[in-house]
Amino acid sequence: DTGVSQNPRHKITKRGQNVTFRCDPISEHNRLYWYRQTLGQGPEFLTYFQNEAQLEKSRLLSDRFSAERPKGSFSTLEIQRTEQGDSAMYLCASSFPGTGEKLFFGSGTQLSVL
Amino acid sequence: GENVEQHPSTLSVQEGDSAVIKCTYSDSASNYFPWYKQELGKRPQLIIDIRSNVGEKKDQRIAVTLNKTAKHFSLHITETQPEDSAVYFCAATLSGAGSYQLTFGKGTKLSVIP
Repeated sequence: DTGVSQNPRHKITKRGQNVTFRCDPISEHNRLYWYRQTLGQGPEFLTYFQNEAQLEKSRLLSDRFSAERPKGSFSTLEIQRTEQGDSAMYLCASSFPGTGEKLFFGSGTQLSVL
Repeated sequence: GENVEQHPSTLSVQEGDSAVIKCTYSDSASNYFPWYKQELGKRPQLIIDIRSNVGEKKDQRIAVTLNKTAKHFSLHITETQPEDSAVYFCAATLSGAGSYQLTFGKGTKLSVIP
């Protein structure tokens, strides 16, 4: 599969623990996005990278969330001191320079905070 | 910011009938409107998109129409098949502003009854 890859697929954690997710975008894609999706809702924008630069963050994004894309390739999303409200599907997407608005999504990481 | 409303939330049609899903957006500056299909447990996938300089676009059995004045756009699926059963999301963004941050609707669960 040469699409966007996300790991792990599922993560169960206890409240207060830290978790980290990884996203490997399609290799030629320079833009990378993180979205969050809860049951019955559409994906909600979290943050966006162009190459290694984090250019935009949602105002709704708690300071417990941090994302990196150190070499402009893969990205990590870390959630510190998880809360039950963080339970959701975390989706990564990437896009090609010439068609930046056409997002290719990964299969997501399903986070359950107990 | 942009707000996207999507209706209906659920839609059941007989195989072979047509299905129509409608979305409205709030930001008159938005100029790019994609539709994503998400099958159960799978990633969202782009199925069709339209830009604000076009009123209608077709791709085989699917079409999208846009009314900029009324700020609404619709997805039309003709000759529906069981494999069309999925959740469909509309989205809107201002393309070319450097971000391509999509604002999604809450989704429509389409069930095609054989």
